[in-house]
Amino acid sequence: AQSVTQPDIHITVSEGASLELRCNYSYGATPYLFWYVQSPGQGLQLLLKYFSGDTLVQGIKGFEAEFKRSQSSFNLRKPSVHWSDAAEYFCAVGAPGGGNKLTFGTGTQLKVEL
Amino acid sequence: DVKVTQSSRYLVKRTGEKVFLECVQDMDHENMFWYRQDPGLGLRLIYFSYDVKMKEKGDIPEGYSVSREKKERFSLILESASTNQTSMYLCASSFPQEEGYTFGSGTRLTVV
Repeated sequence: AQSVTQPDIHITVSEGASLELRCNYSYGATPYLFWYVQSPGQGLQLLLKYFSGDTLVQGIKGFEAEFKRSQSSFNLRKPSVHWSDAAEYFCAVGAPGGGNKLTFGTGTQLKVEL
Repeated sequence: DVKVTQSSRYLVKRTGEKVFLECVQDMDHENMFWYRQDPGLGLRLIYFSYDVKMKEKGDIPEGYSVSREKKERFSLILESASTNQTSMYLCASSFPQEEGYTFGSGTRLTVV
């Protein structure tokens, strides 16, 4: 079964600074990988996804993520953070052909200092 | 855009009550899911369904059941609500797998 780890529970960055949120997965082959964002009191919104092809994927709101097979990682990045990016971020992994279930990490809470 | 609608944003129920959480999606997705979200635990899968009248247990099905009589509707049932079921409940739908999930806005359930 697949699993995913988000090592950072909380991260604080200054507005305008760069951001990297870490995600490590465990799966025997190349999985489907996703990043979601959750604003307070809301459901989760898909930021970006990877399932094949170019290992650097672009998403909404200026986010990108890079799939690194050798490190079993799928880290989320943004060059310049805006105050509105403050939210909780979840990484998720799915097994291709193994049904549609996704396994989610425990989330990283991002705080943006003005 | 796909919309997933959860009927209630906030619910307060008493211990022992039977509770129904409703979820409707409007894009003919075959797959639907119920998760609960708790601080520090992330999202945990309760039940999912790949088709009408079909259901499968997720990681934490105890104390819950589901119903899918129509393709667009997936209901989560708490047979006898307990205080440890106080949580945020999230419904999602998907198809195909590589597109990921579309989530509803969530139902915050408090059992007193």
